[in-house]
Amino acid sequence: GAVVSQHPSRVICKSGTSVKIECRSLDFQATTMFWYRQFPKKSLMLMATSNEGSKATYEQGVEKDKFLINHASLTLSTLTVTSAHPEDSSFYICSALTRGVSYNEQFFGPGTRLTVL
Amino acid sequence: KQEVTQIPAALSVPEGENLVLNCSFTDSAIYNLQWFRQDPGKGLTSLLLIQSSQREQTSGRLNASLDKSSGRSTLYIAASQPGDSATYLCAVGTYKYIFGTGTRLKVLA
Repeated sequence: GAVVSQHPSRVICKSGTSVKIECRSLDFQATTMFWYRQFPKKSLMLMATSNEGSKATYEQGVEKDKFLINHASLTLSTLTVTSAHPEDSSFYICSALTRGVSYNEQFFGPGTRLTVL
Repeated sequence: KQEVTQIPAALSVPEGENLVLNCSFTDSAIYNLQWFRQDPGKGLTSLLLIQSSQREQTSGRLNASLDKSSGRSTLYIAASQPGDSATYLCAVGTYKYIFGTGTRLKVLA
């Protein structure tokens, strides 16, 4: 199957700093990628849809100025957590969408664990 | 708004038992339903993907069925093993996914 990578896998930062997380589709092009967030012992929550060459679409309740998404190429989307605070600590997972004639499928990255001190 | 619920929330069974995990969703206008497992502190491992035109998919000891009209899917695990212990998530959607609440499975040796 298709491979999606995330970098870094784990990051610890001080409160007030910004953190950038990269999501790459390694062997296919993805015009659409998704960013999810997972709190401890909870399920995944869709944060935003990242579209190559256009603005991201954010889900209700997600602050677009806090979570900046850039999808500058067909294989890379980045999520920047600006002015991070301890409540932003979470597991962030991205996925990349492939589309066929009559189907679509998401491939998921391994996740990035963010800890804000 | 799509809501996805998984029952039971947690399950503990002895090794060798066959078991069924349930996933229900409120909006039947979906393209895909996908089952994942997640080990503690790890990412998602895709188990089975069922497209809307399909009724079931099988892989090894796993079988997943989909009934769009009733908004339900089941994941059947045959002859469970301790290595099956994990959280199982279902996800439904058109091009973007809504994840279920998860079932935490523990298989006792």
